Amino acid sequence: QVQLQESGPGLVKPSQTLSLTCTVSGGSISSGSYYWSWIRQPAGKGLEWIGRIYTSGSTNYNPSLKSRVTISVDTSKNQFSLKLSSVTAADTAVYYCASCGDYFAFDIWGQGTMVTVSS
Amino acid sequence: QSVLTQPPSVSGAPGQRVTISCTGSSSNIGAGYDVHWYQQLPGTAPKLLIYGNSNRPSGVPDRFSGSKSGTSASLAISGLQAEDEADYYCQSYDSSLSALYVFGTGTKVTVL
Repeated sequence: QVQLQESGPGLVKPSQTLSLTCTVSGGSISSGSYYWSWIRQPAGKGLEWIGRIYTSGSTNYNPSLKSRVTISVDTSKNQFSLKLSSVTAADTAVYYCASCGDYFAFDIWGQGTMVTVSS
Repeated sequence: QSVLTQPPSVSGAPGQRVTISCTGSSSNIGAGYDVHWYQQLPGTAPKLLIYGNSNRPSGVPDRFSGSKSGTSASLAISGLQAEDEADYYCQSYDSSLSALYVFGTGTKVTVL
């Protein structure tokens, strides 16, 4: 059974770059027709899709974040990563990684990691 | 930035049936894209509840059902139970210049 686990700093200073990694266990990140996504949720608010990557390396990003987002994949480590540059307090949120398979539904989610942007 | 609209809250007594609406547009639900539903218990990650408009993943009770018509979709919970108290989100694909994946505004279900 595939599981996802986010990791990375819980505190990032304003204007710096937020970096998170999602480790896939219980299966290969390269198997099947899966897209791997990042989604975030500010405290008390709704869900926002950040972007996705296919194992070929092709990416798609939310236009509202596109200029600041980079998602990459490392198939040798069974991981994919998120970088969000020039962060502000508005980027404070719980960040989730998730797999998107058939029907374009997010079928498996990581437990989420809280990232606070503060000096 | 949610482009799918849900009621902020719904409530019901144990055993009752409640429904949650999800209203989109011609670039997402109305374009024929599937609608999915997620349940988020307090302090936890969202969990896929309904996929492809009306399909339940293994392990999801048949008290949960989904439907779609036109530019809207609905989630119904019958035989409401205390453990159903959670936030529920709809999600679809969008072909406009917005994000590829769009979520609903979220609905808090309260069991009275």
